[in-house]
Amino acid sequence: RKEVEQDPGPFNVPEGATVAFNCTYSNSASQSFFWYRQDCRKEPKLLMSVYSSGNEDGRFTAQLNRASQYISLLIRDSKLSDSATYLCVVSGNTGFQKLVFGTGTRLLVSP
Amino acid sequence: GAVVSQHPSRVICKSGTSVKIECRSLDFQATTMFWYRQFPKQSLMLMATSNEGSKATYEQGVEKDKFLINHASLTLSTLTVTSAHPEDSSFYICSAYSGNTIYFGEGSWLTVV
Repeated sequence: RKEVEQDPGPFNVPEGATVAFNCTYSNSASQSFFWYRQDCRKEPKLLMSVYSSGNEDGRFTAQLNRASQYISLLIRDSKLSDSATYLCVVSGNTGFQKLVFGTGTRLLVSP
Repeated sequence: GAVVSQHPSRVICKSGTSVKIECRSLDFQATTMFWYRQFPKQSLMLMATSNEGSKATYEQGVEKDKFLINHASLTLSTLTVTSAHPEDSSFYICSAYSGNTIYFGEGSWLTVV
């Protein structure tokens, strides 16, 4: 079983749609959780950290369920510029600095 | 904010040769840097943890004699792919922490022909 699992997609949505991505992780000792965005052939960029209480940043909402070892990302009012691959990232069990990446979920927003 | 710079961004080398990739922290000191590899449509896989002034720590399955890591200063880590083969063609990317935030280099595309 992979340490971090994501649906690879692609998710094809029209502009303005709401889309949700899910991610599960296997290491119950993981402490830190993130969503990164990666554009084609570029480095990953931090989208947001994920907290147990849930957190929101503009059109983006992240949720964490530690009991189910499940993380989600909700994007509202999708923009064309949201088209990218979204990586679920979890800290490894050897310390928060060691990150484990999911394979990513690809999002395509069309006009 | 903090910046991590990687060089070269793209490199093509012949099979059997070696290629060096540099990772620099431009406005902060990084005692630890991380090297990842990403094959097409796959996730970033941690190859090794680079520690300033000491030996790198390699992940299981990564050949330390093939992927040489040197972290001689607080702002520079290098990854040398020795005796490169076509299957080493990949996207190599480094990262470093400044405070509690991780910063990634721009990545290096290696093509071995």
